[in-house]
Amino acid sequence: EVQLVESGGGLVQPGGSLRLSCAASGFTFSSHAMHWVRQAPGKGLEYVSAISNNGGSTYFANSVKGRFTISRDNSKNTLYLQMGSLRAEDMAVYYCARVVYDSSGYFLDYWGQGTLVTVSS
Amino acid sequence: EIVMTQSPATLSVSPGERATLSCRASQSVSSSLAWYQQKPGQAPRLLIYGASTRATGIPARFSGSGSGTEFSLTISSLQSEDFAVYYCQQYSQWPLYTFGQGTKLEIK
Repeated sequence: EVQLVESGGGLVQPGGSLRLSCAASGFTFSSHAMHWVRQAPGKGLEYVSAISNNGGSTYFANSVKGRFTISRDNSKNTLYLQMGSLRAEDMAVYYCARVVYDSSGYFLDYWGQGTLVTVSS
Repeated sequence: EIVMTQSPATLSVSPGERATLSCRASQSVSSSLAWYQQKPGQAPRLLIYGASTRATGIPARFSGSGSGTEFSLTISSLQSEDFAVYYCQQYSQWPLYTFGQGTKLEIK
């Protein structure tokens, strides 16, 4: 069974840093690209960042570029999101999601339950 | 960036009836379109990918159609567990996937 379990969320002051983790199991983690997607309270879904299966390529939404980094440790089946210079608008539930491929392209099939990041003084 | 627009924002339907949700892309995404269901406090659940292919374990009452810029999700006979928020998402532009703002399906 595919499982994605996020952790690391919590309360952080504006300007602070936080590292999120996503522990994967039930599939060959190193074969899949991964995404982080966030959802502000009561709002819709927003792409944050993506990483290739081997970690060699990383991508960021303009809203987080230069402040967030994404990485993975395939030996530990874990995905990370290092968040810095946090702002009130970064407050959200952060989900990790697995990327799979078919003839229509690369899409997200399994999502974790999310971890809440609260940015407040 | 491809903008996804869903309509209506809220849809009120009685159990057992049919519901049709719409999604429009600001430019063609071919068939690179997915639908997700989200219930309160839960993660999004993949329903449809490739615009019309049901994901594993998704009941046959869920169907997707469309291509290019116009898409729809139809639930043929609403069950109590289907009342939720539904999002469409384009994955035509890796990795800048964009989502619609969601349609809340509520009990009439």
